[in-house]
Amino acid sequence: AQSVTQLGSHVSVSEGALVLLRCNYSSSVPPYLFWYVQYPNQGLQLLLKYTSAATLVKGINGFEAEFKKSETSFHLTKPSAHMSDAAEYFCAVSGSGDYKLSFGAGTTVTVRA
Amino acid sequence: SAVISQKPSRDICQRGTSLTIQCQVDSQVTMMFWYRQQPGQSLTLIATANQGSEATYESGFVIDKFPISRPNLTFSTLTVSNMSPEDSSIYLCSVETSGGAREDEQFFGPGTRLTVL
Repeated sequence: AQSVTQLGSHVSVSEGALVLLRCNYSSSVPPYLFWYVQYPNQGLQLLLKYTSAATLVKGINGFEAEFKKSETSFHLTKPSAHMSDAAEYFCAVSGSGDYKLSFGAGTTVTVRA
Repeated sequence: SAVISQKPSRDICQRGTSLTIQCQVDSQVTMMFWYRQQPGQSLTLIATANQGSEATYESGFVIDKFPISRPNLTFSTLTVSNMSPEDSSIYLCSVETSGGAREDEQFFGPGTRLTVL
């Protein structure tokens, strides 16, 4: 079965500092991986996705993620945090034979002025 | 992409009652999904609702508790029946627009925040 593990349920960063959110996956087939963001009182919005075309994936709002097969990781980064990045971030992996998504537990990001 | 709306956005209900949540999409889609997000938790898939067929429920979810309708390609409803405080969650609708390939993302509605007293 496919699954993802997000390390760290809460991350606090200073404005302008690096944001690093960790995601490790387990998959019996080549994975397709996604990062979603959920702003307060809103639904989920796709930040980026990995579909095997390139290991470094650039997304919206300055975020990027690097797929590392040897480490079974898909960590999300942003070089300089902005106050508007305060939200909950979810890593997800698609199923082995279908479209179903399995989500990680989520990481809440707070940004300090 | 797809723009999804949900009604109601939030509700407070008494235990033992039922609530029907509506999900409307701005384009025709084959696959619609219903998720539950319990307080402080991640998303759990309740069921997949494809037009023209019965909804497919995930382990731990049953039709009697969460009946789903999918009358056409742009609309679905989820009913939370005989509610208890444990049903207090955010319920999210999502769609997949590209035919169900593994690499395709899902688009999410804003969610319905349900509190059961």
